[in-house]
Amino acid sequence: AQSVTQLGSHVSVSEGALVLLRCNYSSSVPPYLFWYVQYPNQGLQLLLKYTTGATLVKGINGFEAEFKKSETSFHLTKPSAHMSDAAEYFCAVFPRDSSYKLIFGSGTRLLVRP
Amino acid sequence: GAVVSQHPSRVICKSGTSVKIECRSLDFQATTMFWYRQFPKQSLMLMATSNEGSKATYEQGVEKDKFLINHASLTLSTLTVTSAHPEDSSFYICSARRGQENTEAFFGQGTRLTVV
Repeated sequence: AQSVTQLGSHVSVSEGALVLLRCNYSSSVPPYLFWYVQYPNQGLQLLLKYTTGATLVKGINGFEAEFKKSETSFHLTKPSAHMSDAAEYFCAVFPRDSSYKLIFGSGTRLLVRP
Repeated sequence: GAVVSQHPSRVICKSGTSVKIECRSLDFQATTMFWYRQFPKQSLMLMATSNEGSKATYEQGVEKDKFLINHASLTLSTLTVTSAHPEDSSFYICSARRGQENTEAFFGQGTRLTVV
């Protein structure tokens, strides 16, 4: 069965530092890949997605992610963290089958230190 | 962009009563809607998938009779928590998919349910 692994339940960075949130998927056929952000007591907002084409995907708020098939990874990065980036981040995959179900990782809480 | 509105955002109810949560796609027709439950500091757990005009498909371990899902139109799905108990207290989130080919799901704002 398809699964998503997010390494690190918590990541802490200083304001202005590089943000790196890791995501790996398990599938022989690369799925569609997503990163979502969730602020407290709110729903999920799509940051970016990869379906096909260019493997480096740019999203909102300065985030980007690179799909690496050889590593089955889709890590999320941002060159310079801002205090407003503090939130919960979820990696999700959408298998290229008929299940039509998003499968979520366990989430990573990003803490930004002043 | 596509907007999904979920209502109410917060609800407190007494044990034994039922609560209905609505999920509406405001500017698109949602062929498929999904209902998730999220426990504190945890990921989203898919409860069920509903397609307009047909019965919902529930995930293993989710009680169909407790969590009633209705997808009566292409813009509205409802989740009713029947005979609620304190252990049903949670954050419930809906999402909607636009069309059969579109891979993106749009999420509602979530509903915080507290059963006292």
